[in-house]
Amino acid sequence: QVQVVQSGGEVKKPGASVKVSCKASGYTLTSYGISWVRRAPGQGPEWMGWISAYNGHTNYAQKFQGRVSMTTDTSTNTAYLELRSLRSDDTAEYFCARHQGDYGEYYFDHWGQGTLVTVSS
Amino acid sequence: SYVLTQPPSVSVAPGQTARITCGENNIASKSVHWYQQRPGQAPVLVVYDDSDRPSGIPARFSGSNSGNTATLTISRVETGDEADYYCQVWESGSDHPIFGGGTKLNVL
Repeated sequence: QVQVVQSGGEVKKPGASVKVSCKASGYTLTSYGISWVRRAPGQGPEWMGWISAYNGHTNYAQKFQGRVSMTTDTSTNTAYLELRSLRSDDTAEYFCARHQGDYGEYYFDHWGQGTLVTVSS
Repeated sequence: SYVLTQPPSVSVAPGQTARITCGENNIASKSVHWYQQRPGQAPVLVVYDDSDRPSGIPARFSGSNSGNTATLTISRVETGDEADYYCQVWESGSDHPIFGGGTKLNVL
């Protein structure tokens, strides 16, 4: 049974960094891509980037280039999102999601439960 | 780059049929996927590849994709279907997903 469990909520000050984890069980991380998607209050989903746990290839949304890092630890079957130089408008729920489907037609079949990151002075 | 257009809200009475649209020029050339997100919960995939349903999703949820519009149809709507619904395609050129703005389904 596939499960994806994220780390708990975080409260950070502006300018700080946050690192969110996403632990997969019931499947091998290296067999799938993982995207990170956030949803700010009252907004739609915003894709931040994705990582291939197989070869470490990443593709970051232009908006977050230079401020985001996505990594994986295959020994623990865990993916990580780090976001630096936090601002108040980074306050959002952050989700990891497993890729599924044919190359170039991916969708997300399993999601983490979400991690609320609050940025406030 | 794709911009997926969804109506902000759709309202239906229990037992009726809800249709949520996702529009873009020639969207029929893409595979469209749909997610349900209830408040405080993670998104759930309800339709993939235009019209396929994951296991565990009721047959009341169906999808279609033709021309410039993809449609998620929810038959015999229940109060538990009240949620935000998002369509999604994959932009193969830049290798990333595109999400619609979302539609809030209100069950009156």
